[in-house]
Amino acid sequence: GAGVSQSPSNKVTEKGKDVELRCDPISGHTALYWYRQSLGQGLEFLIYFQGNSAPDKSGLPSDRFSAERTGGSVSTLTIQRTQQEDSAVYLCASSQDLAANEQFFGPGTRLTVL
Amino acid sequence: TQLLEQSPQFLSIQEGENLTVYCNSSSVFSSLQWYRQEPGEGPVLLVTVVTGGEVKKLKRLTFQFGDARKDSSLHITAAQPGDTGLYLCAFFQGAQKLVFGQGTRLTINP
Repeated sequence: GAGVSQSPSNKVTEKGKDVELRCDPISGHTALYWYRQSLGQGLEFLIYFQGNSAPDKSGLPSDRFSAERTGGSVSTLTIQRTQQEDSAVYLCASSQDLAANEQFFGPGTRLTVL
Repeated sequence: TQLLEQSPQFLSIQEGENLTVYCNSSSVFSSLQWYRQEPGEGPVLLVTVVTGGEVKKLKRLTFQFGDARKDSSLHITAAQPGDTGLYLCAFFQGAQKLVFGQGTRLTINP
């Protein structure tokens, strides 16, 4: 496809379960970003990848959150032992490279933790 | 503490009216970006302003960067229902991290 795609579009899970969120960036984009959007916190940055490397993981909210990227393309954001406060829309974006000043966002995954 | 303060938080007006929304900070920025986000979608970049005092126009939307590069405004002329959405301003913290304001949720009523 032409744009960033994310799956699933919606995920409902029970507290304590693990979830995996997937992002397919625009083909050829070397930089990939994860953001979280919630009512209370607005849109906040989580982590970025240059290629398969994530140099700075300090934006991840807790050690229950992890992310990886393989083959310089698809990325997965994993949340272990989900909590109700993890409920949010998780957005992925990609850009041509880290120097590019435009990030292209996917439609997001809406996560609801019951 | 929000680095970017957007106002108003909510705005509901009738089709055909004009409006202005604001993005303010006490910090100086090398550039600011404006995004529009519609329900169920990610934000889409509308414009990047770089130079203090700069004015950019995108059809009925006019963006201005403050002379001191601390604030920006978005003016919409003759608003249309298709302008409905969440308007976000943002800046780059470092080369990679976009920092967003809380947004202005705009509703244009037919």
